[in-house]
Amino acid sequence: AQTVTQSQPEMSVQEAETVTLSCTYDTSESDYYLFWYKQPPSRQMILVIRQEAYKQQNATENRFSVNFQKAAKSFSLKISDSQLGDAAMYFCAYRRIGGTASKLTFGTGTRLQVTL
Amino acid sequence: GAGVSQSPSNKVTEKGKDVELRCDPISGHTALYWYRQRLGQGLEFLIYFQGNSAPDKSGLPSDRFSAERTGESVSTLTIQRTQQEDSAVYLCASSFLSGNYYGYTFGSGTRLTVV
Repeated sequence: AQTVTQSQPEMSVQEAETVTLSCTYDTSESDYYLFWYKQPPSRQMILVIRQEAYKQQNATENRFSVNFQKAAKSFSLKISDSQLGDAAMYFCAYRRIGGTASKLTFGTGTRLQVTL
Repeated sequence: GAGVSQSPSNKVTEKGKDVELRCDPISGHTALYWYRQRLGQGLEFLIYFQGNSAPDKSGLPSDRFSAERTGESVSTLTIQRTQQEDSAVYLCASSFLSGNYYGYTFGSGTRLTVV
């Protein structure tokens, strides 16, 4: 079974600085998707960034980028120029490709605080 | 609709009562998922519907939990004889295809409190 581990329950960053959130996962599959979701107090999960495992190039979305290390099964999220609106819970997630077992498997989350 | 809609937003119920939670997915989304999120924890998969295929119920924690979906539209999650341990946020999500690249679109959840 796939597992996703986020070892940082809480992180703090100053506004305009850079922070990296860690995620590791375990799978026997060779191809899959990885995601980072943001959950603000409104509870709605918002997709931040996604990565296909067969792509070596790290995904980037504006201030958000990932460091995908397939051999190490690591998928960290870097937030640059942090803003107050980035404060939220961040969840790393894994998803198989194809088949019927397409559920997302989530880590336990990292709470990010952004300070002035 | 424009997004995934869940109702009610909040529900307080007495221990032992039955509750029904509703999810309206995005129109055209064939896959629908229910997750449970206990306070301070990650999301726990409950059940998954894909078109007319048999649902994947592997995440339902007990036989007190059940869910239905009518075609590719509304889904209801029913919890019978609620227990305090059922208190959580129940999140629904939908996606266009079951195995696609685009993750899910989530609703804002129903916060269930069992007293």
